[in-house]
Amino acid sequence: ETGVTQSPTHLIKTRGQQVTLRCSSQSGHNTVSWYQQALGQGPQFIFQYYREEENGRGNFPPRFSGLQFPNYSSELNVNALELDDSALYLCASSLGTSDYNEQFFGPGTRLTVL
Amino acid sequence: QQQVKQSPQSLIVQKGGISIINCAYENTAFDYFPWYQQFPGKGPALLIAIRPDVSEKKEGRFTISFNKSAKQFSLHIMDSQPGDSATYFCAANNAGNMLTFGGGTRLMVKP
Repeated sequence: ETGVTQSPTHLIKTRGQQVTLRCSSQSGHNTVSWYQQALGQGPQFIFQYYREEENGRGNFPPRFSGLQFPNYSSELNVNALELDDSALYLCASSLGTSDYNEQFFGPGTRLTVL
Repeated sequence: QQQVKQSPQSLIVQKGGISIINCAYENTAFDYFPWYQQFPGKGPALLIAIRPDVSEKKEGRFTISFNKSAKQFSLHIMDSQPGDSATYFCAANNAGNMLTFGGGTRLMVKP
């Protein structure tokens, strides 16, 4: 059984560009949540996908969008990058959307926007 | 709006000492309170969690104390070890497993 994996590990973009981050969920997990972790802060919830549908969204603008595929892997897309988008992007997978289902986090993608 | 406030931001403890991290929340709809441990270059990993109908939960050297009326909860690490040096996050959960995290506490345990 493999854990949650994310790609790429690091990424450097310039303002205004678009970026796609990828996440492979843990085997058997049908729910993926994405979080943004700015340097020195706690992760902030971006959105969650359950069985290929967006199941909830945090306080992030529409230029943050996502997808979940039939194999439950997921993508996070960010358009029109801003300097403040520089952060560690974490995805977490879980078996279902119950509050008590443990979320397993990947190592994250470090995005730097110049 | 920060719904979970965590303190202190950093903590230095001697080996064998007790580390205490505190959190307070505002949203009374929260119904699950996990603590995560994060090492540099890694994602957070679940350490221990508690439901609001329980006042205390202990797993090994880690204990959560929960005060529902005060809307506060805390993590106690007994016999702290250098390997415990990491960043700790409290979190709260409701309505579909969407975590709200505190700001984090960077713990350093000195040998």
